[in-house]
Amino acid sequence: DAGITQSPRHKVTETGTPVTLRCHQTENHRYMYWYRQDPGHGLRLIHYSYGVKDTDKGEVSDGYSVSRSKTEDFLLTLESATSSQTSVYFCAISEGQINEKLFFGSGTQLSVL
Amino acid sequence: DQQVKQNSPSLSVQEGRISILNCDYTNSMFDYFLWYKKYPAEGPTFLISISSIKDKNEDGRFTVFLNKSAKHLSLHIVPSQPGDSAVYFCAASAGRQGAQKLVFGQGTRLTINP
Repeated sequence: DAGITQSPRHKVTETGTPVTLRCHQTENHRYMYWYRQDPGHGLRLIHYSYGVKDTDKGEVSDGYSVSRSKTEDFLLTLESATSSQTSVYFCAISEGQINEKLFFGSGTQLSVL
Repeated sequence: DQQVKQNSPSLSVQEGRISILNCDYTNSMFDYFLWYKKYPAEGPTFLISISSIKDKNEDGRFTVFLNKSAKHLSLHIVPSQPGDSAVYFCAASAGRQGAQKLVFGQGTRLTINP
């Protein structure tokens, strides 16, 4: 199994509070991604990173920010959580970029009340 | 605009029979396709992939078929086993655009009955 750890695994928070999810990899892969999974939508890309301090937006980036200060860590921050951000969040990594398969973490179940 | 569609939310198959999961796409630029399998409380895991230069790729009990003219791919599992019960996602990308352009379908929940 790819060495990807997501923390926390579960979180319940209130609307309007900031939340940070962490993804840690031990594979030294260059590319890291944050996805959310919702019923009827499959997996949708929030943000991705192509190197330390290099990030870009995905399909559903509004309300989210990311940071990558080290190769192994990719943080996802909800600045002010809303109920629509209740979801399962997955971190993924890939070694390359073209025709590369992604390796996923186990996910974080986030509930915003 | 759903570029990758899995129109069957669920599928139930008898153990030992063939499971066929379908996926349709609309973007003719897609040239690389993958299937992922997901168990509850776990992340998706890569199952099999196919490039548009092929129309079939096999890996053990799993075969993926690609029909480019119909913009359709399917995953065949033969024979189906109880451990195959999971949610299956198909995904597609236009190769040179990179993995950040990977588009996932909604998923199909496969249940294998003993």
